[in-house]
Amino acid sequence: GAVVSQHPSWVICKSGTSVKIECRSLDFQATTMFWYRQFPKQSLMLMATSNEGSKATYEQGVEKDKFLINHASLTLSTLTVTSAHPEDSSFYICSARGVGPLHGTGANVLTFGAGSRLTVL
Amino acid sequence: SQQGEEDPQALSIQEGENATMNCSYKTSINNLQWYRQNSGRGLVHLILIRSNEREKHSGRLRVTLDTSKKSSSLLITASRAADTASYFCATGLNSGNTPLVFGKGTRLSVIA
Repeated sequence: GAVVSQHPSWVICKSGTSVKIECRSLDFQATTMFWYRQFPKQSLMLMATSNEGSKATYEQGVEKDKFLINHASLTLSTLTVTSAHPEDSSFYICSARGVGPLHGTGANVLTFGAGSRLTVL
Repeated sequence: SQQGEEDPQALSIQEGENATMNCSYKTSINNLQWYRQNSGRGLVHLILIRSNEREKHSGRLRVTLDTSKKSSSLLITASRAADTASYFCATGLNSGNTPLVFGKGTRLSVIA
């Protein structure tokens, strides 16, 4: 089936540094990728929607200059947390919707990465 | 908001018992999906039910959808310890850029 690889799984950084999280679709072209953030025992909060080759659409309350999203190709999207602070510590999850036989249902099924746990000291 | 709301928030059962989780949503949908999340991991798609369907089965999973009540249920029969996870319902439309909106989830614990 469709696979999305997300790296790194864990990252610990100092306050003020920037962290990049990568999300790759391994066996399909991801026309749209979604980035979610999840706090402990909470639901997923959509941060932004990115389409290959265009600017990401951010949800209300999400700072686009702090959470930089790049979707440069149909198989790769990156989220960069700039000047990270302890309150940015969270679990970040990407998901992708693609085209091709693995997504033949035509429905809105997403394939998720395994998530990246960010801890900012 | 289109967000789904799962009920109960937490459920603890013995292995072999059935687990039922409910989801309510607020707006019209094209489909409703259930996802599973193991602790600290990404989500795995379990099953999708379209708005014109009332019930769907997949292995030990049974999903119902009542669009008049804007609610859905997920039943896991003959539960196993490995079913321990959080379960989320998600509502969506079929258009390309529309994101899924997730409920708060039900944390299921199956005790061996």
